[in-house]
Amino acid sequence: EIVLKQSPATLSLSPGERATLSCRASQSISSYLVWYQQKPGQAPRLLIYDASNRATGIPARFSGSGSGTDFTLTISSLEPEDFAVYYCQQRSNRPLTFGGGTKVEIK
Amino acid sequence: EVQLLESGGGLVQPGESLRLSCAASGFTFSSNAMTWVRQAPGKGLEWVSVISGSGGSTNYADSVKGRFTISRDNSKNTVFLQMNSLRAEDTAVYYCARTCSLSCSGEDFWGQGTLVTVSS
Repeated sequence: EIVLKQSPATLSLSPGERATLSCRASQSISSYLVWYQQKPGQAPRLLIYDASNRATGIPARFSGSGSGTDFTLTISSLEPEDFAVYYCQQRSNRPLTFGGGTKVEIK
Repeated sequence: EVQLLESGGGLVQPGESLRLSCAASGFTFSSNAMTWVRQAPGKGLEWVSVISGSGGSTNYADSVKGRFTISRDNSKNTVFLQMNSLRAEDTAVYYCARTCSLSCSGEDFWGQGTLVTVSS
């Protein structure tokens, strides 16, 4: 099973600041990585697929990069609605696995 | 508009069974694989199972293999999760999600979730 480690666990930032979230895989997953956003009491929302492609309707301030074992989700300028928990998921091997999540909170 | 509506959650005792349903609308149901993901209270996401559009291929997390069975009825646009031999650690919100077909990867639409509580 591929293990994904997300860091940091919590990111405290102010609106307008840049957020950089990391996801590291225990083995190479090529670009088979997706990112989800989840707000309290809501289902997850697909943000990025294949490491760097924005899903339909996702604002351009969200971007993804990386391949192999190291991946990054960047939010260029945080909006109030971006404070949430972010999960990465690998889709290279079954069973699919999620990282533990990064909570982006208001500083 | 794509909609997914889960039902069937509730409180059961350890060792009992439960069947979750997810009714889909707004897309050609048989064209997409369907996935179940769960989230224990206050915890992260855990992928549970996936079924192909035809229903001919399934896959499970090791934690549920042999106890859970995913199936679908394409004539009724519904996917199911039969959960047997339930354990306390199966307590979670269970989400049904549509898996992207050709245009993307990942689960692009999600239901609101149904809570399963396993407790004596």
